[in-house]
Amino acid sequence: DAKTTQPPSMDCAEGRAANLPCNHSTISGNEYVYWYRQIHSQGPQYIIHGLKNNETNEMASLIITEDRKSSTLILPHATLRDTAVYYCIAGGSNYKLTFGKGTLLTVNP
Amino acid sequence: DSGVTQTPKHLITATGQRVTLRCSPRSGDLSVYWYQQSLDQGLQFLIQYYNGEERAKGNILERFSAQQFPDLHSELNLSSLELGDSALYFCASSFREGAGNTEAFFGQGTRLTVV
Repeated sequence: DAKTTQPPSMDCAEGRAANLPCNHSTISGNEYVYWYRQIHSQGPQYIIHGLKNNETNEMASLIITEDRKSSTLILPHATLRDTAVYYCIAGGSNYKLTFGKGTLLTVNP
Repeated sequence: DSGVTQTPKHLITATGQRVTLRCSPRSGDLSVYWYQQSLDQGLQFLIQYYNGEERAKGNILERFSAQQFPDLHSELNLSSLELGDSALYFCASSFREGAGNTEAFFGQGTRLTVV
């Protein structure tokens, strides 16, 4: 899996959009970008993934730059329950997901 | 609820002992992954099975072993336990053979405490 770089922590006001960046400059052509989150020692939860195109689902949007070297996860209207560690993973073309340290997103009231 | 069931939720045991952690994947999922999460190491991939066969190994100690049974449930066996084995152990499942282009669903974990 390609190495990813994420800020260790971010804050967001409740109701505002949370934009979480991820750098994956060494990503190869067949590697996907995945986002998972983990809420306080619960099992990680899948959010979204994509290869080249931007993706949107009921939880979030994923914006991948044209050169695929970075991406942004967007939570459109953050709530207190979105406070979690968010993991960006670039890879998955083999049999495992390699988790880094992630970004601790704190949503403030 | 992810559909992945892990038992037990909590386990306290003494050093030198052996324990078995159990995972039932989501209905229809053929792949099972095991991860270890300790405070200082983050989420570490241990091993993956697909339809009963081992597919990938990560940083899994020789004292640890796993298997996936014909009914697709999986067990992670930890033996000669040490204090440092205290951690959260997560199981995940997915439909596809690999982790590519698919989401993996994680259970709520087993918290192992070795005393």
